[in-house]
Amino acid sequence: QQQVKQSPQSLIVQKGGISIINCAYENTAFDYFPWYQQFPGKGPALLIAIRPDVSEKKEGRFTISFNKSAKQFSLHIMDSQPGDSATYFCAASIESNTGKLIFGQGTTLQVKP
Amino acid sequence: DAGVTQSPTHLIKTRGQQVTLRCSPKSGHDTVSWYQQALGQGPQFIFQYYEEEERQRGNFPDRFSGHQFPNYSSELNVNALLLGDSALYLCASSLAGGAPYEQYFGPGTRLTVT
Repeated sequence: QQQVKQSPQSLIVQKGGISIINCAYENTAFDYFPWYQQFPGKGPALLIAIRPDVSEKKEGRFTISFNKSAKQFSLHIMDSQPGDSATYFCAASIESNTGKLIFGQGTTLQVKP
Repeated sequence: DAGVTQSPTHLIKTRGQQVTLRCSPKSGHDTVSWYQQALGQGPQFIFQYYEEEERQRGNFPDRFSGHQFPNYSSELNVNALLLGDSALYLCASSLAGGAPYEQYFGPGTRLTVT
């Protein structure tokens, strides 16, 4: 019940295209859903986050869509650029708890020029 | 504004040895969490320290222990190293009661056990 399942495992997108990464969770107590971006040899960097009382959040080219009833959320990267090539992780936590993050398995995104 | 720093960057140890990893949190943060990231996997929560005490622990054996100092920096100790302990160890800092549990990660320490 603590798992967060992420798909696809890898994704190849042409420059200018839309990258879509999906995550699903089971624990309805989760109330904070961040996305992290990780480049090789670096630690994960917080990209964007959402709470379940909001169905969508947009920051620049990055948008999170949240479907509470389906217990799913997704990251959309609009106008994908080669510099977006990285591994993306979704995560979930319980705000009233310590904020321990449960991560998905990761999606390796390659944006071709 | 200094971000999360970790030392050392890389470390090679032999099976059975002990290792200590260090973390300094982002300026203004008081909470430190440690994660283990195996190759090709998402980070796994080890434990969290707040007010110099372990506040929560993940599914890791007692060989993994930690400490938080009055300046909020933290150490992760691993005893009796196993080959399976080879991973990237990440430290994340946050502010208790701050922007809800936004955790900022350091660059990690790459531990190789031979």
